[in-house]
Amino acid sequence: EIVLTQSPGTLSLSPGERATLSCRASQSVTSNFLGWYQQKPGQAPRLLIYGASSRATGIPDRFSGTGSGTDFTLTINRLEPEDFAVYFCQEYASTRRTFGQGTKVEIK
Amino acid sequence: QVQLQESGPGLVKPSGTLSLTCAVSGGSISTHNWWTWVRQPPGKGLEWIGEIYHTGSTNYNPSLTSRVSISIDNSISHFSLRLISVTAADTAVYYCARWTDITGFDSWGQGALVTVSS
Repeated sequence: EIVLTQSPGTLSLSPGERATLSCRASQSVTSNFLGWYQQKPGQAPRLLIYGASSRATGIPDRFSGTGSGTDFTLTINRLEPEDFAVYFCQEYASTRRTFGQGTKVEIK
Repeated sequence: QVQLQESGPGLVKPSGTLSLTCAVSGGSISTHNWWTWVRQPPGKGLEWIGEIYHTGSTNYNPSLTSRVSISIDNSISHFSLRLISVTAADTAVYYCARWTDITGFDSWGQGALVTVSS
């Protein structure tokens, strides 16, 4: 079973700043089958990034994903007010569909 | 754009059975996708429960496999979740979602809160 560890737990930033979120896997994620999701209070998660670096349909280009193997990063350039939310990474190299515990991006 | 909508009782008694249905619209349920259930306890993270293909093939989270079953009715574009012997630990928002091999969970229902309480 792959365990995903996200850091930091909470990121306090101001609008316009850059957010850098980390997701570390306990073992290599095959074929970079890693995704990122955004979740706002009371809403379902929304797919942002798949295949570690591909933006999903309709996702602004201020969101970018990088990484391979065991270390992955989600970067949000120039935070907009609507970007303050919880972000989850998720691996799909295995059939467990494991999620990380989440990183909350809050307004400073 | 496919849409998913969960429905079912919001309150289940301890030791009872949780049953939810997900209605799929705006696209065929008989496609090369997996139809899945994910849950989220209040204030906590996301847990994958299991998935079903339109052929009826299923995969379940090993931690829940003894209590969970997922079924599908292609004729009415519904798939369903059944979780037996529930406890308070099963209280959560339950989401149905579409899974694709390339993109992951690309469509989600709005979620259904199920509370286990007497």
